[in-house]
Amino acid sequence: DIQMTQSPSTLSASVGDRVTITCRASQSISSWLAWYQQKPGKAPKLLIYYASSLESGVPSRFSGSGSGTEFTLTISSLQPDDFAIYYCQQYNTYPGTFGQGTKVEIK
Amino acid sequence: QVQLVQSGAEVKKPGASVKVSCKASGYTFTGNYMHWVRQAPGQGLEWMGWINPNNGGTNYVQKFQGRVTMTRDTSISTAYMELSRLRSDDTAVYYCARDLSTSTSCYDYWGQGTLVTVSS
Repeated sequence: DIQMTQSPSTLSASVGDRVTITCRASQSISSWLAWYQQKPGKAPKLLIYYASSLESGVPSRFSGSGSGTEFTLTISSLQPDDFAIYYCQQYNTYPGTFGQGTKVEIK
Repeated sequence: QVQLVQSGAEVKKPGASVKVSCKASGYTFTGNYMHWVRQAPGQGLEWMGWINPNNGGTNYVQKFQGRVTMTRDTSISTAYMELSRLRSDDTAVYYCARDLSTSTSCYDYWGQGTLVTVSS
């Protein structure tokens, strides 16, 4: 299975900060990468697919980039609603595998 | 609007089976694969498999082969996931999740989750 590794595991930031989360794949996955946001007690929500395509309805402060084995999720100006756990997921190869998650918490 | 509504929480004894339902609305049920993903308490996300609602075809992750069965009833736009021979480490929230298309394994809509607790 392809291993997905996110960094950092926890990120402390303030409202208005620019935040970047990195996701690395154990082998090339082209651009078949998604990012999800999960809040406590809720289902994950799709933010980005195909590495950089913004899901409909997702604020434009979220952006994704990368290809091959290294990817980033950027939040340009962190808002109170953005404090959550973020997961990357590769869907290049079965089984689709997730990163371990990055918790974005209030500084 | 697309909605996936799952059945309620379950408490099961080790060795028993559980069947979780996922009722879809707001789109053509047979047009997108349906996946099942689980999340143990405080842990990450684990894909279990998918079902093609159009023809009932399935694909399960090796780990669950022989214990999981995914089915659907197109007349009521509902997908089901049954897990048998439950163990304590099957305690988790189980989600159904709609595929972005057919078998991409990227999920654009999720159910609210069903907590399955396995305890003697």
